[in-house]
Amino acid sequence: EIVMTQSPATLSVSPGERATLSCRTSQSVSSKLAWYQQKRGQAPRLLIYAASTRATGIPARFSGSGSGTDFTLTISSLQSEDFAVYYCQQYNNWPPWTFGQGTKVEVK
Amino acid sequence: EAQLVESGGNLVQPGGSLRLSCAASGFTFSNFWFHWVRQAPGQGLVWVSRINIDGSIAIYAESVQGRFTISRDNTRNTLYLQMNSLSVEDTAVYYCAREGLETGEWYFDLWGRGTLITVSS
Repeated sequence: EIVMTQSPATLSVSPGERATLSCRTSQSVSSKLAWYQQKRGQAPRLLIYAASTRATGIPARFSGSGSGTDFTLTISSLQSEDFAVYYCQQYNNWPPWTFGQGTKVEVK
Repeated sequence: EAQLVESGGNLVQPGGSLRLSCAASGFTFSNFWFHWVRQAPGQGLVWVSRINIDGSIAIYAESVQGRFTISRDNTRNTLYLQMNSLSVEDTAVYYCAREGLETGEWYFDLWGRGTLITVSS
């Protein structure tokens, strides 16, 4: 099973600032990595797949990068609606599909 | 608008059973593979099960193998999860999720809002 490690656990950012979230996998997943956003009480929402491809309707301020074992989600200028928990997921070696433990982006 | 809506969550005693449903709308249900994913209180997302288009192939996480059964009814546009021999460790919000259509890209492009299962005596 591929273990996913996200850092930091919590990221405190002011609105308008850049947020950089990290995801590391225990072995290479090539570019088969997705990022999801989850707000309290809501369904997770797909943001990024194939490490760097934005899903339909996702604003350009969200970008993903990386391959192999190290990945980054960047939110270029945080909006109020972006404060949420973000999860990475690998889908290269399955089953199981595995997720990171999440990074909570909170208001500084 | 494409949508998934889970139902069936409840309080159940250890050793009990429960069946969850996930109703799909706004897209062609029979074209997609589906998953169940769960999230224990305050914890992260954990994959549970996956089913293919016609329901003939199902795979499970080790933690639920032999106790849970995923199924689907393409005439009713509904996904199911039959859960037996429940334990307190199964307490979680259960989400259904749709797998993307792109060949070789097995991410989840649509999720429901989840249904809560609490296993307690």
